[in-house]
Amino acid sequence: AQKITQTQPGMFVQEKEAVTLDCTYDTSDPSYGLFWYKQPSSGEMIFLIYQGSYDQQNATEGRYSLNFQKARKSANLVISASQLGDSAMYFCAMRDLSGNTGKLIFGQGTTLQVKP
Amino acid sequence: DARVTQTPRDKVTEMGQEVTMRCQPILGHNTVFWYRQTMMQGLELLAYFRNRAPLDDSGMPKDRFSAEMPDATLATLKIQPSEPRDSAVYFCASASGTGYTDTQYFGPGTRLTVL
Repeated sequence: AQKITQTQPGMFVQEKEAVTLDCTYDTSDPSYGLFWYKQPSSGEMIFLIYQGSYDQQNATEGRYSLNFQKARKSANLVISASQLGDSAMYFCAMRDLSGNTGKLIFGQGTTLQVKP
Repeated sequence: DARVTQTPRDKVTEMGQEVTMRCQPILGHNTVFWYRQTMMQGLELLAYFRNRAPLDDSGMPKDRFSAEMPDATLATLKIQPSEPRDSAVYFCASASGTGYTDTQYFGPGTRLTVL
């Protein structure tokens, strides 16, 4: 069965510094996709970045980048130049390909607080 | 700026009442998901539609929950009768496909409180 693990319940970072949020995954499928979502206090789930298992390069989207280490089964999110608005819960997720639902399997989430 | 919309954003109701939540997926997306988020369970799938057909609703309590997609622009989730344990945030998400590369875009959620 596929599984996503986020081991950091909470993280603090100083404004303008970079921060890495950890995510490890477990799957026996050779084809998979990994996603990161941001959930601010307002509650919505905002898609940030995607990494495919066959992608040769790490994904980047503005200040977000994904440190994808396939052999270690890790897909850590790196946020550069943190801003106060980055304070939120962050979820790592993977598409569940079993049963053909395509549902997302989420990690437990990491709460990030950016200090001024 | 295409996005998933959900109504209502907040709903407070009394136990036993019917609750209907609505979702408008992104135009052109043929896959719609309903998730529920609670502190204890995190995010869990309730139902899933592809091309308006329900393909998986195994996550829903069948006796009180129902999900439909009357047309390509509207998905509904109904709870009847509602119970306090149904209090949660209900998210609708849509995607252009079901492949592992297809990104699911979430609506703002409906925060349901059942008293």
